[in-house]
Amino acid sequence: DVKVTQSSRYLVKRTGEKVFLECVQDMDHENMFWYRQDPGLGLRLIYFSYDVKMKEKGDIPEGYSVSREKKERFSLILESASTNQTSMYLCASSMTTNEKLFFGSGTQLSVL
Amino acid sequence: QQQVKQSPQSLIVQKGGIPIINCAYENTAFDYFPWYQQFPGKGPALLIAIRPDVSEKKEGRFTISFNKSAKQFSLHIMDSQPGDSATYFCAANGYSSASKIIFGSGTRLSIRP
Repeated sequence: DVKVTQSSRYLVKRTGEKVFLECVQDMDHENMFWYRQDPGLGLRLIYFSYDVKMKEKGDIPEGYSVSREKKERFSLILESASTNQTSMYLCASSMTTNEKLFFGSGTQLSVL
Repeated sequence: QQQVKQSPQSLIVQKGGIPIINCAYENTAFDYFPWYQQFPGKGPALLIAIRPDVSEKKEGRFTISFNKSAKQFSLHIMDSQPGDSATYFCAANGYSSASKIIFGSGTRLSIRP
């Protein structure tokens, strides 16, 4: 089975800090995604990457950036964390477009 | 036109009942309609998916009903069990790009023993 691993289950950061969320997948998937999950809002796409060093903005990219230096690793960066970025962050990967997404277990980020 | 509207937001059903979760979409370019199941503390996992060339798909106790003309699809869970208690997300996307997958807002389902 595909495994998508997120480095932290819980994180607590202070306003203004730079935050790194790491995600690794072990099945050689081309596509990787970062979503944000908030109650009543579903899953909203922040950024996705379809190849190493390639990235595209999703629906809510403001305040975030990403990095994909290796195929298996996709990082989400909060340049200057703010309280409205307190949320559950989910990483996902897929082999090709229009196919099953495999999600990690999520990182619950609290920004104080 | 990009939205997927999901209802209800929460649902409580007695064991053995048939919970039904509904979704509606507007973009006729969508051609893949998955449902994801999420347990507390876990990421969502694909439960079942349908393409618009069929009106129904069954996998075990889970059934998707699809109405192309109404642009609606729904998830039915037969003989529901307490272990089915989870949050369910419908989604839709077109063939051209997985980045365009649009998720519904989610339904928190609770099955009472």
